[in-house]
Amino acid sequence: AQTVTQSQPEMSVQEAETVTLSCTYDTSESDYYLFWYKQPPSRQMILVIRQEAYKQQNATENRFSVNFQKAAKSFSLKISDSQLGDAAMYFCAYRGYFGNEKLTFGTGTRLTIIP
Amino acid sequence: NAGVMQNPRHLVRRRGQEARLRCSPMKGHSHVYWYRQLPEEGLKFMVYLQKENIIDESGMPKERFSAEFPKEGPSILRIQQVVRGDSAAYFCASSPQGQPNYGYTFGSGTRLTVV
Repeated sequence: AQTVTQSQPEMSVQEAETVTLSCTYDTSESDYYLFWYKQPPSRQMILVIRQEAYKQQNATENRFSVNFQKAAKSFSLKISDSQLGDAAMYFCAYRGYFGNEKLTFGTGTRLTIIP
Repeated sequence: NAGVMQNPRHLVRRRGQEARLRCSPMKGHSHVYWYRQLPEEGLKFMVYLQKENIIDESGMPKERFSAEFPKEGPSILRIQQVVRGDSAAYFCASSPQGQPNYGYTFGSGTRLTVV
């Protein structure tokens, strides 16, 4: 079974600075998808960024980018120019390539933005 | 284009009562997933359904919990004889057929409180 590990329960960053959230996963599959979701206090789960394992290029969405290291099974999220609205729980998630399998989530990292 | 609709937003039940949580997937999505989130924890998979079929219920407790996604109408997560430990946020998500890179679209969740 796939597992997703987020080893940082909490992180904090100064506004306008850069922060990196860590995620590792365990799988025997060669093709899969990885995601970062954001859950602000409103509780709504919001997709931040996705990465296809067969793509070598790291995904980027505006201030959000990932560092995908397939051999190391690592998928970190970098947030540049942090803003107050980035304060939230961030969840890393894994999904297999075939079919519509379930997403497996990590335990989350709570990000605090310091004004 | 309405997203995933969950209702009610909040639900209070006394111990021993039944709880019914409803989820209407995003238009065009044929796959529904239910997750449970305990306070300060990540999302735990419960069940994956397609219309009239349960595809994966490996995360469902063996007793008191059931789910359905009928041909017409929303998906229902039913909890019989609720206990205090059932208090949690229950999230529904949907995805389209054949697009594993899509991830999910989440509803806003139902917060169940058992008193």
